[in-house]
Amino acid sequence: DSGVTQTPKHLITATGQRVTLRCSPRSGDLSVYWYQQSLDQGLQFLIQYYNGEERAKGNILERFSAQQFPDLHSELNLSSLELGDSALYFCASSVGSSGELFFGEGSRLTVL
Amino acid sequence: AQSVSQHNHHVILSEAASLELGCNYSYGGTVNLFWYVQYPGQHLQLLLKYFSGDPLVKGIKGFEAEFIKSKFSFNLRKPSVQWSDTAEYFCAVNLDSNYQLIWGAGTKLIIKP
Repeated sequence: DSGVTQTPKHLITATGQRVTLRCSPRSGDLSVYWYQQSLDQGLQFLIQYYNGEERAKGNILERFSAQQFPDLHSELNLSSLELGDSALYFCASSVGSSGELFFGEGSRLTVL
Repeated sequence: AQSVSQHNHHVILSEAASLELGCNYSYGGTVNLFWYVQYPGQHLQLLLKYFSGDPLVKGIKGFEAEFIKSKFSFNLRKPSVQWSDTAEYFCAVNLDSNYQLIWGAGTKLIIKP
């Protein structure tokens, strides 16, 4: 158990819909990272927050947005969903800047 | 741009064979180096890490990796693999402790029993 909690574990929705994925980092970790993993694109970094502020952006689509709240939990919002958004979405957290990440178990999104 | 290369995308070995997975990065500054592993159906977890000191680092489950600065490499090794080592292995590099990781594309390892 990494200490990073993600909900929901599984989500099935239809094209055009909007979903919210939630992540609670390990106690004491200030940074939260979001990753997308799919068979065709592999592991893709989406976005990182540090203590409530956006720190880095990766391959995040404009239809996606995220935020980190004062209690340090984070949400990833995916809107106008397309079939190609079906993937595993991982959240990870870290305490410092070394790059050592602790991953949650992921949220598997299926768009039908 | 900085990048991380993993030479093999798929590796198939028999049990008890020796394993070496290559990882090279392109950056001349200070790096922290990682190998993460993802077992089938599971999340990524840290296998081992190098920050400084002895360039030969040991991780969980008998894995080790050697940092060779002159070759910009951080290859993963295990002398005798087991069926339970079937997983995807990712090399990742942190540059100058700037919070970001640059990831390799991953190597899918299949161990035949």
